[in-house]
Amino acid sequence: NAGVTQTPKFQVLKTGQSMTLQCAQDMNHNSMYWYRQDPGMGLRLIYYSASEGTTDKGEVPNGYNVSRLNKREFSLRLESAAPSQTSVYFCATHETSGFSNQPQHFGDGTRLSIL
Amino acid sequence: KQEVTQIPAALSVPEGENLVLNCSFTDSAIYNLQWFRQDPGKGLTSLLLIQSSQREQTSGRLNASLDKSSGRSTLYIAASQPGDSATYLCAVYGQNFVFGPGTRLSVLP
Repeated sequence: NAGVTQTPKFQVLKTGQSMTLQCAQDMNHNSMYWYRQDPGMGLRLIYYSASEGTTDKGEVPNGYNVSRLNKREFSLRLESAAPSQTSVYFCATHETSGFSNQPQHFGDGTRLSIL
Repeated sequence: KQEVTQIPAALSVPEGENLVLNCSFTDSAIYNLQWFRQDPGKGLTSLLLIQSSQREQTSGRLNASLDKSSGRSTLYIAASQPGDSATYLCAVYGQNFVFGPGTRLSVLP
């Protein structure tokens, strides 16, 4: 049971390049999330998707786009990477049907460096 | 806007000690609070989830309490071991998840 799988695990980009971070889940959860984690700042929500076909902005959406094409997959795209986007990116899932008292589950993260 | 803080930011204790990590939040309108463990270079592992109607949850040597009215939660770790060394984060779930910055714990052999 893989849970939440993120690819790639590491990536180095040059300023201005674009790339897509992929996230796939086999937990059949409705909601999926993208966070970034920076030293001393905890996790900050970039975008989330409450269900297939819907997406919403989180706390720090600027410079990112997302796509939720099906229930399993939620991708995060950097159109023109900037050094300020150097971070560790985490994807998470959450079951939101019924009572909202289920734990969040995380992938292992993508470590992204932008030069 | 919900804000979550954690005290202390870092903690170093000798093996065998009991310890308490603190989490505070500003908006008591939450569904639940979750404690996570994060090892260096790894993702987050869920430790305990306390529903808003609960006062505490226990798992092995871990006990988490929740006082929603005062906006506080504590994570109690009994008989600490070097393997407990990690960063511990709390997150509250209301309109969305909001995370604290974490407490970095070192348990010395």
